Amino acid sequence: KNQVEQSPQSLIILEGKNCTLQCNYTVSPFSNLRWYKQDTGRGPVSLTIMTFSENTKSNGRYTATLDADTKQSSLHITASQLSDSASYICVVSPSGTGKLIFGQGTTLQVKP
Amino acid sequence: NAGVTQTPKFQVLKTGQSMTLQCAQDMNHNSMYWYRQDPGMGLRLIYYSASEGTTDKGEVPNGYNVSRLNKREFSLRLESAAPSQTSVYFCASDSNYGYTFGSGTRLTVV
Repeated sequence: KNQVEQSPQSLIILEGKNCTLQCNYTVSPFSNLRWYKQDTGRGPVSLTIMTFSENTKSNGRYTATLDADTKQSSLHITASQLSDSASYICVVSPSGTGKLIFGQGTTLQVKP
Repeated sequence: NAGVTQTPKFQVLKTGQSMTLQCAQDMNHNSMYWYRQDPGMGLRLIYYSASEGTTDKGEVPNGYNVSRLNKREFSLRLESAAPSQTSVYFCASDSNYGYTFGSGTRLTVV
C-alpha cells in the first residue's frame, strides 16, 4: 500500500533556530513530491515541488531535499520565525494516477 | 484575488439533513478536487473532476455526491449527513504546477 509517513508528529523550537522535518514514503514509482504549509484554519499552501530526478529545491528559508533511493525527503527551515508555526505536509504523487497521497503532517510551533 | 473560494466556512447539521458545499476557482484550471481532513490523518480524496463534465470517485466517496457545474464550479453534496462526516472539507484545483486549496469548510454533524 502506498504510504507517506512524517516525523516528528509535532515539534517546538525557539525563534531563530533551524529545524528539519522528515518524510518517508513507499510510493513507487512517483512523479513528484511536494511540501505544503498549512496555517491553522486555512488550506494548505505549496512550498516546493520536486520531480523524482531532483535532489533539492529551495523557497526562501525553506529547503526540501529528496533521496529517491532511500525514499526519504526532508524539509529544512532556516532561522525560524513565529510565522512558521503551522502544519507541514509531505505529499507524493504516484506516477500515472494524477492523484496525491498525503502524509499526516508535522505540527511546528515556534516560540519567542 | 485569484484562487479557490469555498462556502460556507462553518456549518452545523443535524443527522439526516442534507447540504451542498460550494467551490469555485477563477484560475481556469481543468482539474478540481474535494478532500476531507480529520485529526491525525492526511487529507483524503472524496471525489475529483479531471475536466468539465467528468467526475470520479476518490478514496472515501461513500455518502457524498458531486457536480461539476462548469469549469469554475465543483460542488459537494451530503444527502443525509452522518456524525462520521464531521470533518474539515477542502476544495482544490490543479494546474500541474501545484494544487491551490480553498480555505476549507468546517462541518459538524450532531
